[in-house]
Amino acid sequence: AQKVTQAQTEISVVEKEDVTLDCVYETRDTTYYLFWYKQPPSGELVFLIRRNSFDEQNEISGRYSWNFQKSTSSFNFTITASQVVDSAVYFCAGDNQAGTALIFGKGTTLSVSS
Amino acid sequence: AAGVIQSPRHLIKEKRETATLKCYPIPRHDTVYWYQQGPGQDPQFLISFYEKMQSDKGSIPDRFSAQQFSDYHSELNMSSLELGDSALYFCASSFRGVRTEAFFGQGTRLTVV
Repeated sequence: AQKVTQAQTEISVVEKEDVTLDCVYETRDTTYYLFWYKQPPSGELVFLIRRNSFDEQNEISGRYSWNFQKSTSSFNFTITASQVVDSAVYFCAGDNQAGTALIFGKGTTLSVSS
Repeated sequence: AAGVIQSPRHLIKEKRETATLKCYPIPRHDTVYWYQQGPGQDPQFLISFYEKMQSDKGSIPDRFSAQQFSDYHSELNMSSLELGDSALYFCASSFRGVRTEAFFGQGTRLTVV
């Protein structure tokens, strides 16, 4: 069965620091998709990125960047120059074998202080 | 842009009562998912539908049932509510399954007293 591991439960940083959130996806599948979602204190789940297992190119979107390494099934998320508004719980997720549901990691709570 | 709409946003029910949660997916999305998120927990998959047919089932109690209607909206029916059912219930939608982007609604916060 697939499993998403987010090793960091909580991270605290000061504004303008860079921070990396780790994610490892355990699966026997060679084709799979990985996702990151943000859950701010207001509670909604906000889609950030989707990546398939064939694409190892890094992706950058503003202050956000993602690094996928197939050899380790890791899909790490870096926030550059963090801001207080980045404070949230960040979930990494992968699709199940049938592609019919997302399996979420336990989440990493990021606290950014000013 | 239109998002996933869930109603109601908040619901308070007593034990053993019944609740119905509604979800209206993004237009043209054909896949709907339901998730349950307990306090401080990750979202747990309950059930999904593709083109109005159940496509997968997760850790959904037998007391719960769901369906997707001809207009693609979905309803989650919960009976014999228990205190442990108190949680945030999310609906998400996507086009052609979970391997495209799945967008979540704002959730329904159910409190069972």
